[in-house]
Amino acid sequence: KQEVTQIPAALSVPEGENLVLNCSFTDSAIYNLQWFRQDPGKGLTSLLLIQSSQREQTSGRLNASLDKSSGRSTLYIAASQPGDSATYLCAVLSGGSYIPTFGRGTSLIVHP
Amino acid sequence: GAVVSQHPSWVICKSGTSVKIECRSLDFQATTMFWYRQFPKQSLMLMATSNEGSKATYEQGVEKDKFLINHASLTLSTLTVTSAHPEDSSFYICSADTGTGGLQPQHFGDGTRLSIL
Repeated sequence: KQEVTQIPAALSVPEGENLVLNCSFTDSAIYNLQWFRQDPGKGLTSLLLIQSSQREQTSGRLNASLDKSSGRSTLYIAASQPGDSATYLCAVLSGGSYIPTFGRGTSLIVHP
Repeated sequence: GAVVSQHPSWVICKSGTSVKIECRSLDFQATTMFWYRQFPKQSLMLMATSNEGSKATYEQGVEKDKFLINHASLTLSTLTVTSAHPEDSSFYICSADTGTGGLQPQHFGDGTRLSIL
């Protein structure tokens, strides 16, 4: 059974810092990995989707990398801003399944 | 991009009331929709998988008579919480599969906060 762990659970940083959020999974036979952002009381917004054959994806200040063999993905946020404050969730779609497994998320606060 | 609309966004009602939540895919056909429940500071817990025209598949521990799911068309799935009680208060989120086998991102609704008094 796939298990997804996100570290740290919470993070508070001053504006401008570069951040790394971590996601690890136990079964490396994945189909894809997706990073989401969730604002309080809201649904999930897809940030980046990495297919199993890819090593990384970039969108603006966000960069996500994938190392299947070690069961890890990182989400890099450059030059963080207060508007980046949210919970970031990692979800893994395992091979043979169409149901993603979610981590518990990293709660990020970027203060001015 | 693909959009999923969920309605209502917030419901407050008395114990014993049945509440219906709608999930619509606005610009694509969703053969499969998923219903999740989220407790405060927790991740999403999959409740059931809804396939158009067939019975939903419920996860272990989820009462199918309590949480009725109907997926009558390729763009609409509904979750009805029957005879809701305070312990059913939670945040419910739906998502829709674009049917591309994981090549496209999953798309989520904005969620429904259900508060049972």
